Amino acid sequence: AQSVTQLDSQVPVFEEAPVELRCNYSSSVSVYLFWYVQYPNQGLQLLLKYLSGSTLVKGINGFEAEFNKSQTSFHLRKPSVHISDTAEYFCAVSAYHSGYSTLTFGKGTMLLVSP
Amino acid sequence: NAGVTQTPKFRVLKTGQSMTLLCAQDMNHEYMYWYRQDPGMGLRLIHYSVGEGTTAKGEVPDGYNVSRLKKQNFLLGLESAAPSQTSVYFCASTTGSRQPQHFGDGTRLSIL
Repeated sequence: AQSVTQLDSQVPVFEEAPVELRCNYSSSVSVYLFWYVQYPNQGLQLLLKYLSGSTLVKGINGFEAEFNKSQTSFHLRKPSVHISDTAEYFCAVSAYHSGYSTLTFGKGTMLLVSP
Repeated sequence: NAGVTQTPKFRVLKTGQSMTLLCAQDMNHEYMYWYRQDPGMGLRLIHYSVGEGTTAKGEVPDGYNVSRLKKQNFLLGLESAAPSQTSVYFCASTTGSRQPQHFGDGTRLSIL
């Protein structure tokens, strides 16, 4: 079984500052990793995904994440945040076994960007 | 292009009532999922389906039933609603584990 730990429930940051949202995972099988963003009263939207290959993946809205297999981490970063980045961010791991795929989510990190 | 559509968007029920939440997707996806989202808990998988006519239990299946009679629709039923089922319910669909899941906008369900 897989699990995801998002180490911070809230991250306050000033506009134009860099930010890192941390995510650690555990799984007994090969995994695919995702970051999703949820704006208020909306569903989840994909930010980026890691399937294989380069460990640094770039997503939408200037976000990027680095897959670190030895540390079982997939931290999300942005060099300069905007007010509009205020949202909840979810890290998720997908495991494929016995022909079925399920996604396990972390508990989420609320990014609060202030002027 | 509608994507994933959830019906209804809001609903208030009394304890013991039953209801069905509908999820429809127009992307010809094989996999469909129902999640519930509660504050501080992230999203937890209730049930899922890997194709028409198939369903499987997720992490928190108790008190819910599902059906996938048509490939594009995935129904979530509450037979006897309880206050503990007050939550925001999300439906999602995908073509497989390497592809992202596409989410609906959610159904806010309150049970009094």
